[in-house]
Amino acid sequence: EAGVTQFPSHSVIEKGQTVTLRCDPISGHDNLYWYRRVMGKEIKFLLHFVKESKQDESGMPNNRFLAERTGGTYSTLKVQPAELEDSGVYFCASSGGQSEAFFGQGTRLTVV
Amino acid sequence: DQQVKQNSPSLSVQEGRISILNCDYTNSMFDYFLWYKKYPAEGPTFLISISSIKDKNEDGRFTVFLNKSAKHLSLHIVPSQPGDSAVYFCAASLTRTSYGKLTFGQGTILTVHP
Repeated sequence: EAGVTQFPSHSVIEKGQTVTLRCDPISGHDNLYWYRRVMGKEIKFLLHFVKESKQDESGMPNNRFLAERTGGTYSTLKVQPAELEDSGVYFCASSGGQSEAFFGQGTRLTVV
Repeated sequence: DQQVKQNSPSLSVQEGRISILNCDYTNSMFDYFLWYKKYPAEGPTFLISISSIKDKNEDGRFTVFLNKSAKHLSLHIVPSQPGDSAVYFCAASLTRTSYGKLTFGQGTILTVHP
């Protein structure tokens, strides 16, 4: 069974540019989460999808971040325009029903 | 306001000995606690969990203890192996139906020396 897959693994962009991160959850998992870890600190919750609906987006930093989950399958997280403080590792996780979340390998975003 | 804290940034242990990783939390509404292990360039991997109705859960070499009155949990690894060297994250969730919305601690780097 394939795990949670994230693309790209690394991205370096200039301040002001746009970046789109993609997450493919484990097949059949209705719950999809985005997290971010900045500068070796704790991993912080960004938002939660149940199928294609946003269940909880209380962790989204500001309106420069836009998450979508088309058809309840894969999800994208767009940062536009990117700022220096957006640098970090973005993790996606998925879970099915009452089970623990499985994490992807993360996308390391560097804004210069 | 950090609700889950791992006050030890790192821990060094000899192979074969016990590793004890600690975690404190402030939100008494947390209902479910998990430990994740993370290797470099990989995502966190679920290790073991415990519900707030229990005080101990064991899985092979890994045991998690929960002290609700002290708002403290710990992960014991016995015996420690070099392959256990990784970053360990403590995490908590508010409900049993929201295992994926987690509040994480900062992580503790465990190094197990051969």
